[in-house]
Amino acid sequence: SQTIHQWPATLVQPVGSPLSLECTVEGTSNPNLYWYRQAAGRGLQLLFYSVGIGQISSEVPQNLSASRPQDRQFILSSKKLLLSDSGFYLCAWTNFQGGRVIEAFFGQGTRLTVV
Amino acid sequence: AQSVTQLDSQVPVFEEAPVELRCNYSSSVSVYLFWYVQYPNQGLQLLLKYLSGSTLVESINGFEAEFNKSQTSFHLRKPSVHISDTAEYFCAVSNRGYNKLIFGAGTRLAVHP
Repeated sequence: SQTIHQWPATLVQPVGSPLSLECTVEGTSNPNLYWYRQAAGRGLQLLFYSVGIGQISSEVPQNLSASRPQDRQFILSSKKLLLSDSGFYLCAWTNFQGGRVIEAFFGQGTRLTVV
Repeated sequence: AQSVTQLDSQVPVFEEAPVELRCNYSSSVSVYLFWYVQYPNQGLQLLLKYLSGSTLVESINGFEAEFNKSQTSFHLRKPSVHISDTAEYFCAVSNRGYNKLIFGAGTRLAVHP
């Protein structure tokens, strides 16, 4: 069965420090991968998605970047964190059928607090 | 562009009362529809989905949703809620040619004793 691992679960980082969040998927090949963010009291914001190794689509301009060095690995990074980067970060992958998403699977999330 | 509107940001309800969480979408073509649930500090879990067939879909824990094409709605209902149903609920839509799900802003369901 497919599983998705996301770590760390919680992270407290000072303003201006770098960030690296990692997500790996098991039990599937060539998945579409996604990074979402939830700010406090707000909905899901899609940050990046990737349809293959080295292919990254950015949904909103921001202080973050993403990379996909391997088929089942997706990394979210920042060179210098801002206070506004605080939030709950979720990694996800999707199943497709007939050119449409038929299901999305989410990791357990990383709670990032920038201080 | 397609969008999903969840009309209520918060829904307070007493235990054992019925509840309806509303979801409307905008799309001129056929869509797949989903409800996800998120418990505090966790990821999202699929609650139920409509891909085709019967317009009424059910989850294993008593929730149901009905796809209404004419009203472009996919409201989530439960006849009797439990304290454990307290969570945030997200409606989402999938459309051909899009590599992603489009999510609504979420509805926070708070069940009180």
